[in-house]
Amino acid sequence: SAVISQKPSRDICQRGTSLTIQCQVDSQVTMMFWYRQQPGQSLTLIATANQGSEATYESGFVIDKFPISRPNLTFSTLTVSNMSPEDSSIYLCSVLGTSGRAHSYNEQFFGPGTRLTVL
Amino acid sequence: DQQVKQNSPSLSVQEGRISILNCDYTNSMFDYFLWYKKYPAEGPTFLISISSIKDKNEDGRFTVFLNKSAKHLSLHIVPSQPGDSAVYFCAASAKSSGDKLTFGTGTRLAVRP
Repeated sequence: SAVISQKPSRDICQRGTSLTIQCQVDSQVTMMFWYRQQPGQSLTLIATANQGSEATYESGFVIDKFPISRPNLTFSTLTVSNMSPEDSSIYLCSVLGTSGRAHSYNEQFFGPGTRLTVL
Repeated sequence: DQQVKQNSPSLSVQEGRISILNCDYTNSMFDYFLWYKKYPAEGPTFLISISSIKDKNEDGRFTVFLNKSAKHLSLHIVPSQPGDSAVYFCAASAKSSGDKLTFGTGTRLAVRP
């Protein structure tokens, strides 16, 4: 499984500002995903980021609000723009991989998350 | 529209007993199902998975059962240990949707010593 790190681990931001979250993987991966987990909610996919192409956004998420970069096969950033208190969430990146266990394939492995609080 | 549902937000089990976590789904296109465990301040950790061509997959203390006709899966943990206390998410994906994961809302398991 891949080792994934995220920066920052947490931040408190003012309304109207932007925050860029970094995701670093210890191996080259084709597909990276960005998720949001709002308080008490499930994980919701924001977008899929493939190196060399534009990110693909899920319904309800737009590039102007959540611009994503994927400059190489081990790194991606997600920016939360013009933040409001409703953006307070845990943001997680994940990569597609395989655990190598029998009957398993294409699991996603997650970073530790970035806890964002918007005041 | 919540396509993956975990109707029990919490579960408490005595150490050594069996923990059974349930998950229901509505999308018949889902063909791969996963369970994740999440501790506070950490990302979800992959636990076990099952393909729709199987009805059971076992890995140590963890067994996942899939009932396709009922669109239901369950995770059995036996024997339960205090270290199993965490939030458990089930997730589903479909090849036709590019393997994107749809998560349930999670069940918080507490294993009492």
